[in-house]
Amino acid sequence: QQQVKQSPQSLIVQKGGISIINCAYENTAFDYFPWYQQFPGKGPALLIAIRPDVSEKKEGRFTISFNKSAKQFSLHIMDSQPGDSATYFCAAAGGTSYGKLTFGQGTILTVHP
Amino acid sequence: NAGVMQNPRHLVRRRGQEARLRCSPVKGHSHVYWYRQLPEEGLKFMVYLQKENIIDESGMPKERFSAEFPKEGPSILRIQQVVRGDSAAYFCASSPPDRFDGYTFGSGTRLTVV
Repeated sequence: QQQVKQSPQSLIVQKGGISIINCAYENTAFDYFPWYQQFPGKGPALLIAIRPDVSEKKEGRFTISFNKSAKQFSLHIMDSQPGDSATYFCAAAGGTSYGKLTFGQGTILTVHP
Repeated sequence: NAGVMQNPRHLVRRRGQEARLRCSPVKGHSHVYWYRQLPEEGLKFMVYLQKENIIDESGMPKERFSAEFPKEGPSILRIQQVVRGDSAAYFCASSPPDRFDGYTFGSGTRLTVV
């Protein structure tokens, strides 16, 4: 019940296109859903996060869409750039596991110029 | 305004040796978390610590692994009698109390067991 499933495993997008990564969770006690960006040899860096009281949050080119009834959330990267090429992880936290992030398996995004 | 500092960045150990990984949290952060990342996989939670207390160690293997966050000094993740399966990237994160938007990761220690 603690799993977070992420898809796709890898994604190739042309410059200027939209990148979409999806995650699904099982634990209904989760109440915090962040997305992290990781470059090779670096630690994950927080990109954007959402709580279940809103269905969408936008920060610049990055948008999280959240569907509480379906227990799904997704990351949309608009106008994708080569510099966005990285591994993206969704995560979830809350309930009795407060303080502990449960991560998805990651999506390797490649944006071609 | 230094972030989370981890050292060493790379660590090579022979099977059976001990590995000690250090983590200095962001100044003012009182909570430390350790995660392990195997190649091509996501991060797996290991342990959550506050100063001198282990809050949640549900992700720690029962044997050979231990963690501490003393009153003074960095947090230490200790792996005794390392085996090849321990080879991974180990990430430390820190946060202020009750604020996930302040959850900051270090650059990790890459442990290789030969």
